[in-house]
Amino acid sequence: EPEVTQTPSHQVTQMGQEVILRCVPISNHLYFYWYRQILGQKVEFLVSFYNNEISEKSEIFDDQFSVERPDGSNFTLKIRSTKLEDSAMYFCASRREPTYNEQFFGPGTRLTVL
Amino acid sequence: KQEVTQIPAALSVPEGENLVLNCSFTDSAIYNLQWFRQDPGKGLTSLLLIQSSQREQTSGRLNASLDKSSGRSTLYIAASQPGDSATYLCATNSGGYQKVTFGTGTKLQVIP
Repeated sequence: EPEVTQTPSHQVTQMGQEVILRCVPISNHLYFYWYRQILGQKVEFLVSFYNNEISEKSEIFDDQFSVERPDGSNFTLKIRSTKLEDSAMYFCASRREPTYNEQFFGPGTRLTVL
Repeated sequence: KQEVTQIPAALSVPEGENLVLNCSFTDSAIYNLQWFRQDPGKGLTSLLLIQSSQREQTSGRLNASLDKSSGRSTLYIAASQPGDSATYLCATNSGGYQKVTFGTGTKLQVIP
C-alpha cells in the first residue's frame, strides 16, 4: 500500500541553523501539507501546497519557513534560522483532492533545537 | 476560527467494552471530518472520513457519526481490544478548504 515517507526521522540542530525536512508524498496525490506537533500539544496546520504554490498557510508559517517541491516526488519544509520553540514533531501529509479524500500522514520528523 | 474539542481527554476501559469518543466543533460549515489514531511517538493513521453530507461511516469495529447542525461527531469502538490503545484525534476540514483543524485528542487505554 502506498505511503507517505519522511526523512530524517530525527534531526538535532543548533539554534540559528537552517534545517530541511523532506517528504515523499503518495505518487498520485496532488495536495501536500505540513503540520507540527509540539510535545503534549495539538497537531497544528502549517501550510498546504498545490500546483507548485502555497494555497493556504497558518499564522505559525512566518518568513522563517518555506516549502518547495523541487522535483516530481519530494516535498520539503525549510526552516531558515531555527529557534528553541521550533522543537516539535513535523508531519507531512498528502491527499488526492482537498475535500473528498482522506489525508495520509507520514511518520514524522522529530526536530530538536538545542 | 474553528475550534475542535474532544472529551474525555483520557479514557481507560476493560477489554471487550464498547466505547464512545466525542468530538465537537464550533464552525458547522465543514467539508468533512476525519478520525485518526496516533500511537506514541508515531504518525497519524486515518481511520474514517465522513463527508459533510453523510451521517455516518463504518469500518470494521469502528463507526463514526456526524451531526453538523450540533457541531458533533462520535467515534464508536465495539468490543475494544488492548491493541486499540492509542490517542484518537478528530479533525475538520473547513474555512479555507485546505485547512484542517485538529482536536485535542482522547487517550484511550484498553486494559486486558
